[in-house]
Amino acid sequence: GESVGLHLPTLSVQEGDNSIINCAYSNSASDYFIWYKQESGKGPQFIIDIRSNMDKRQGQRVTVLLNKTVKHLSLQIAATQPGDSAVYFCAEKRPGTYKYIFGTGTRLKVLA
Amino acid sequence: ETGVTQTPRHLVMGMTNKKSLKCEQHLGHNAMYWYKQSAKKPLELMFVYNFKEQTENNSVPSRFSPECPNSSHLFLHLHTLQPEDSALYLCASSQDWRAASTDTQYFGPGTRLTVL
Repeated sequence: GESVGLHLPTLSVQEGDNSIINCAYSNSASDYFIWYKQESGKGPQFIIDIRSNMDKRQGQRVTVLLNKTVKHLSLQIAATQPGDSAVYFCAEKRPGTYKYIFGTGTRLKVLA
Repeated sequence: ETGVTQTPRHLVMGMTNKKSLKCEQHLGHNAMYWYKQSAKKPLELMFVYNFKEQTENNSVPSRFSPECPNSSHLFLHLHTLQPEDSALYLCASSQDWRAASTDTQYFGPGTRLTVL
């Protein structure tokens, strides 16, 4: 079946280090991807998106990389801060549909 | 701030109660969504409205009843729920999923529902 999965359920990083969160998707027809951040007790917050015609997109301290060959998505967070502690999950969407397929999430823990 | 608000933020109800969840979006979007988020599970799409018309009912039990009076407001009416319905219910909105493949969904903070 189709799925979007995350390789690591929990990631612990030292404050100030860079974080990399990975995501695998199974449908090569997906053309739009989003990373969301969800803090405890809050709804998912849009972080960054990328279209399938790109392989890299940068935001403020975050970078998303898309490797269509192996159907892999990653989120890189530079200089990780305590406020980055949250669950991160990716979502994929195919053209012509409103349906996103969401991953279960990776919990990022930032160690002081 | 995502521009999507939900009330109440927390709700405890008995199985015989009737309650409603409310969602309002201030983003000028035309599509609104209800999702259920249970522990350790991906988000489950429940209902979709586009320009006030329901375009999805994802095999949701009839004890959940959505209402979309206009593009800015969405309700989820609850009655005779079961304990397994306890979850975080999230509302989201997007511009118009028919218009662009890059139709981003923005979420509200959710309503934490507990059914006793």
